[in-house]
Amino acid sequence: DTEVTQTPKHLVMGMTNKKSLKCEQHMGHRAMYWYKQKAKKPPELMFVYSYEKLSINESVPSRFSPECPNSSLLNLHLHALQPEDSALYLCASSQDPAGESGELFFGEGSRLTVL
Amino acid sequence: LAKTTQPISMDSYEGQEVNITCSHNNIATNDYITWYQQFPSQGPRFIIQGYKTKVTNEVASLFIPADRKSSTLSLPRVSLSDTAVYYCLAYNTDKLIFGTGTRLQVFP
Repeated sequence: DTEVTQTPKHLVMGMTNKKSLKCEQHMGHRAMYWYKQKAKKPPELMFVYSYEKLSINESVPSRFSPECPNSSLLNLHLHALQPEDSALYLCASSQDPAGESGELFFGEGSRLTVL
Repeated sequence: LAKTTQPISMDSYEGQEVNITCSHNNIATNDYITWYQQFPSQGPRFIIQGYKTKVTNEVASLFIPADRKSSTLSLPRVSLSDTAVYYCLAYNTDKLIFGTGTRLQVFP
């Protein structure tokens, strides 16, 4: 199994809603990542979890709250988002948190629309 | 982190070899170079990674000169399905930062 599975594929929410994006991998990888991608722009790193602990937070607003319940799961909790937060949210995992392999496995993303 | 610079776009025709060059002038001694491919509305896909000289796999080759200030991704005999955005990254930790990427358009 070399897949990273993200749910839901599409999400529409109002600015007062609370929702969550979910990501799952069963490759035994020890690092997991959240990226945000706007149209025709490169993916922007948001968070990195290494051995289930948050190791990098790229100064992401607190309305985005990551959670890593176990080594296979990664969640992104969303609350009080703004329309400009509408984007494709990509989850990725890698075997080696130190990044020596450089190989991240990405999911297909969750497309979020904030009304 | 090393900043990477790539051409914004390139055009090619089916069957041609495509070379995409990435500049990373301030690359650190322990930085690796890796390339990703991304199709619309999909996550990026790892293509190849190297540290120096030449690396080849079943889909591409990566050439890195001795000074490591640039690298070239070579795609042999491209097809229409190679139309995508290609990203070059220089990294040495779990902080993989994507540059602007090169949009490759392959024509029949």
